[in-house]
Amino acid sequence: DQQVKQNSPSLSVQEGRISILNCDYTNSMFDYFLWYKKYPAEGPTFLISISSIKDKNEDGRFTVFLNKSAKHLSLHIVPSQPGDSAVYFCAATTNSGGGADGLTFGKGTHLIIQP
Amino acid sequence: SAVISQKPSRDICQRGTSLTIQCQVDSQVTMMFWYRQQPGQSLTLIATANQGSEATYESGFVIDKFPISRPNLTFSTLTVSNMSPEDSSIYLCSVRGPGPLAKNIQYFGAGTRLSVL
Repeated sequence: DQQVKQNSPSLSVQEGRISILNCDYTNSMFDYFLWYKKYPAEGPTFLISISSIKDKNEDGRFTVFLNKSAKHLSLHIVPSQPGDSAVYFCAATTNSGGGADGLTFGKGTHLIIQP
Repeated sequence: SAVISQKPSRDICQRGTSLTIQCQVDSQVTMMFWYRQQPGQSLTLIATANQGSEATYESGFVIDKFPISRPNLTFSTLTVSNMSPEDSSIYLCSVRGPGPLAKNIQYFGAGTRLSVL
């Protein structure tokens, strides 16, 4: 059973607009969440993360929002740029593992930025 | 973040054969992770490899099928044994970020794209 779900396989956004990628999780033990970006033929690249003690984390054009009660997080990219076109993976883990736990990933959302 | 090199980057193999994938890191790391991404699926953790101890496998993965070596703090191998077409996947290794603030962040190699005929 998928513990991390990304229900939109793809998303098309116009350049300069906001891209919003969504992720839901079912395991209440997850308390640390990450977003990765993946280009074809490359490994996933870490983008931004958030701990469950926060509800928002911002880094430049990227902001992650966490709604613990809804078990939902989202990644906002503003403004969207052509280089943002990639597959975005949501991942989760348990902070209490001290980094020894692996990451549980969603299936990814293919973001396409249109000129 | 660490620089992670994987070899080979891709391979096409015959069923019944085995392939060993290498992962080299440019710094010493205690823990290395191996993942698999089957076509259209998410990345799934195969095992965690600590230097000096046996790898810890996730449910659904066994040592006979995916033996792992971890001879030192910068290197690990994953072998995909007795391959079948269902093993066609991208195999990725990863390491944790340095320091306590990055302990939950993992950094990935480029992956090995395996096709089994």
